[in-house]
Amino acid sequence: NAGVTQTPKFQVLKTGQSMTLQCAQDMNHEYMSWYRQDPGMGLRLIHYSVGAGITDQGEVPNGYNVSRSTTEDFPLRLLSAAPSQTSVYFCATGTTNEKLFFGSGTQLSVL
Amino acid sequence: SQQGEEDPQALSIQEGENATMNCSYKTSINNLQWYRQNSGRGLVHLILIRSNEREKHSGRLRVTLDTSKKSSSLLITASRAADTASYFCATVPSGGGADGLTFGKGTHLIIQP
Repeated sequence: NAGVTQTPKFQVLKTGQSMTLQCAQDMNHEYMSWYRQDPGMGLRLIHYSVGAGITDQGEVPNGYNVSRSTTEDFPLRLLSAAPSQTSVYFCATGTTNEKLFFGSGTQLSVL
Repeated sequence: SQQGEEDPQALSIQEGENATMNCSYKTSINNLQWYRQNSGRGLVHLILIRSNEREKHSGRLRVTLDTSKKSSSLLITASRAADTASYFCATVPSGGGADGLTFGKGTHLIIQP
C-alpha cells in the first residue's frame, strides 16, 4: 500500500519544453489535487478532480493541464515550461475538504 | 489567496519545552486542519477541528479553535527533536466548494537538543 506516488522526484527543463508529472494513488479516493509550493508562499492549488472524468481549476492553473481518466491517476502537464514554474509540486488525495494525503513531491527547475 | 496566516513564522525552543503556534483566518470556516512538513517531504495531516468544536487532542498535540476571534492554536507538549518541521494550518470556508482547502505560509519549528 504505497499511498500517493509521484514521479519524477527531480526534473530540470529548459524554457519551452513540455513534460508530465505523474501522480498515482492506491487509496481509492475520488478527490485528487495538485499544489505548488514556493518559498514564503505556502501551498497553492493548481487543479483538482472530484472523480474520474471531472477536473477543475484551482488558484493558479495557467500553464498547466490535467486529466483524470481513472480513479488512480492524475497527471499534471506543463505545456511550455517557464522559469516562473520552478517550484516543488505536490499531489494529494483524500476526502474533499477534509484529511489529505500527500505525495513526496517533485522538485522542478526550469532554466 | 491565503486564508490562514500562521504566527510566528519561525520558532526555536529547547527539547522538552512546549511549542505553541497560532493561525488566524478571515472568513467563516467549515473546518480547520493542521499539517506537518518535514524538510524535503510531503505534508502529513495532524488534526482536523470543525467549526462547532473548541478543542481537540491527539497524543501530544492540542488544537483550540476560537471562531469569534477567527483563530486557532496548535500546542505541542514535551517537544522532541523529531518535531522539528514546518507546520501549516489549512482552512475550509463555510459553504466552500471542492477547491476550498487553503493553506497558510507555515511556522518553521526548530527543537534544539
